[in-house]
Amino acid sequence: AQSVTQPDIHITVSEGASLELRCNYSYGATPYLFWYVQSPGQGLQLLLKYFSGDTLVQGIKGFEAEFKRSQSSFNLRKPSVHWSDAAEYFCAVGVKEYGNKLVFGAGTILRVKS
Amino acid sequence: KAGVTQTPRYLIKTRGQQVTLSCSPISGHRSVSWYQQTPGQGLQFLFEYFSETQRNKGNFPGRFSGRQFSNSRSEMNVSTLELGDSALYLCASTPSGTANNEQFFGPGTRLTVL
Repeated sequence: AQSVTQPDIHITVSEGASLELRCNYSYGATPYLFWYVQSPGQGLQLLLKYFSGDTLVQGIKGFEAEFKRSQSSFNLRKPSVHWSDAAEYFCAVGVKEYGNKLVFGAGTILRVKS
Repeated sequence: KAGVTQTPRYLIKTRGQQVTLSCSPISGHRSVSWYQQTPGQGLQFLFEYFSETQRNKGNFPGRFSGRQFSNSRSEMNVSTLELGDSALYLCASTPSGTANNEQFFGPGTRLTVL
């Protein structure tokens, strides 16, 4: 069965600093990969997705992620963090054979200090 | 287009009762998925409905059930509530039945079981 690991439960960065959130997945073939963000009391908003093609994908709010097949990773990056980026971030995997089912990682809570 | 709506937003029930949650997908979307979010277990897939048929089901007891109507609106029902059912229940909609689509999440229904 597919699984997603986000090794960092909490990350604190200073405003203006760069950010990298880690995500590793376990699946035999190339899955569909997603990053979602959730603010307190809110639903999930899609930041970006990877299905195929260029392994560096751009998303909303200045985020990007790179798919590395050899490392089974899909890390999220942002060059300069803003205070409004404080939220919880989820990496998710979708598998063609399972329709629209997503398997989520445990999430990483991002704190931004001024 | 209006987003995914979920009603009610908040619900308080007692053990042993049953509850029905509603999800209205984005107009034109035919697939609705349900997820349970708890601090301990994170985001877990409950089930997916596509064109009124349940396509996938997660690893939840039979007390959790759902259905989808011809207008794609979906309901989920939890019978004989337990304290552990307290959670944020999220639904997501997407246009088609394939996994390489963005899923749009609603704000969730916060269920508290006393």
